[in-house]
Amino acid sequence: KNEVEQSPQNLTAQEGEFITINCSYSVGISALHWLQQHPGGGIVSLFMLSSGKKKHGRLIATINIQEKHSSLHITASHPRDSAVYICAVRKTGNQFYFGTGTSLTVIP
Amino acid sequence: KAGVTQTPRYLIKTRGQQVTLSCSPISGHRSVSWYQQTPGQGLQFLFEYFSETQRNKGNFPGRFSGRQFSNSRSEMNVSTLELGDSALYLCASSFRAGDGTEAFFGQGTRLTVV
Repeated sequence: KNEVEQSPQNLTAQEGEFITINCSYSVGISALHWLQQHPGGGIVSLFMLSSGKKKHGRLIATINIQEKHSSLHITASHPRDSAVYICAVRKTGNQFYFGTGTSLTVIP
Repeated sequence: KAGVTQTPRYLIKTRGQQVTLSCSPISGHRSVSWYQQTPGQGLQFLFEYFSETQRNKGNFPGRFSGRQFSNSRSEMNVSTLELGDSALYLCASSFRAGDGTEAFFGQGTRLTVV
């Protein structure tokens, strides 16, 4: 069983829709990252969370440490948000374990 | 300041050859970790270095090795390449190898083994 489970695997939305991607993990962590990867591109870290909630523009990320769950929300989605979103948990040091990713397509 | 730099960006090698990939962390960062991304397995941890010492190693064969230099730049080497080694190799750097420090990822090196 993967230590990090992400859902959904694929998501198609109309422009303007509110989007939620979920991440559950089964191990103790020091932090959780939400990552974005465009096709053929490298990875960008959107958020690092160890508790609570963070907001950056139209993106909101929350984490519940007790329930071992995190969510990434995108408000007013736009076609340029189309990418793969990956949940990554940091156990110790700089060692990450990753979810399988959510492929998001936003249709104009 | 400059981000994490990985070189080369793209590489084509033949089965049986060896390859060396480079990762230059953000200035001042001392921790570097490496990951392999394949369509079938997703992102998997290879190894982590801090101050020239390997701290952790993932579940990969001995053909995969790495090192870190005194300037924190890191290299990974894959010997006797196999077709299944074709992947995107990513590195991440952070200031220290501990809690509370954000990690930054490079653009990756896409390795194709033919």
